[in-house]
Amino acid sequence: DAKTTQPTSMDCAEGRAANLPCNHSTISGNEYVYWYRQIHSQGPQYIIHGLKNNETNEMASLIITEDRKSSTLILPHATLRDTAVYYCIARNTGGGNKLTFGTGTQLKVEL
Amino acid sequence: GAVVSQHPSRVICKSGTSVKIECRSLDFQATTMFWYRQFPKQSLMLMATSNEGSKATYEQGVEKDKFLINHASLTLSTLTVTSAHPEDSSFYICSARAVGPRFPLHFGNGTRLTVT
Repeated sequence: DAKTTQPTSMDCAEGRAANLPCNHSTISGNEYVYWYRQIHSQGPQYIIHGLKNNETNEMASLIITEDRKSSTLILPHATLRDTAVYYCIARNTGGGNKLTFGTGTQLKVEL
Repeated sequence: GAVVSQHPSRVICKSGTSVKIECRSLDFQATTMFWYRQFPKQSLMLMATSNEGSKATYEQGVEKDKFLINHASLTLSTLTVTSAHPEDSSFYICSARAVGPRFPLHFGNGTRLTVT
């Protein structure tokens, strides 16, 4: 699976959009980009994933650049409950399907 | 959505005893489940891949005789920490995926193990 790089931490004001970047410059054509988050002392929660098209669901939007070397997770209206560590993972669906976690981005949403 | 249930959520045991953790996929069948461990302020580290009906595959450095994994059905995998020691105290998390490469992995809520 391709290595991903994320900022260590970010702050966001409640009610504003949180834009979390992720670099995956060595991603291969069959690797999806997955986003998970982990709230303190809980298991990771699936957010969204995509291959090359932008994706949106009830939780977030995923914007993938045309060259697929980077992506951005967008939480449109961040709340205090969105404070968590966010993990961006590039996953080869044929590679045993396991997920390898990096260090992620600690997002802190403040009043 | 897909739900993975993990039990117990917290357990305290004495050094030298064994502890069993259960992971169930509640609304889907999972031929493969994964067990992770997470120490404070660190990321999740994959311990092993649990395959239904066959032996688990362990990551390098993980003792298979200490961390026994059983995946007897398509909805249940268990992790037994044998002869637990204080250094085994950690947050253990399982995950499972419905059949099909495009389905995401879903995670249980973890088990906080404290060995005294």
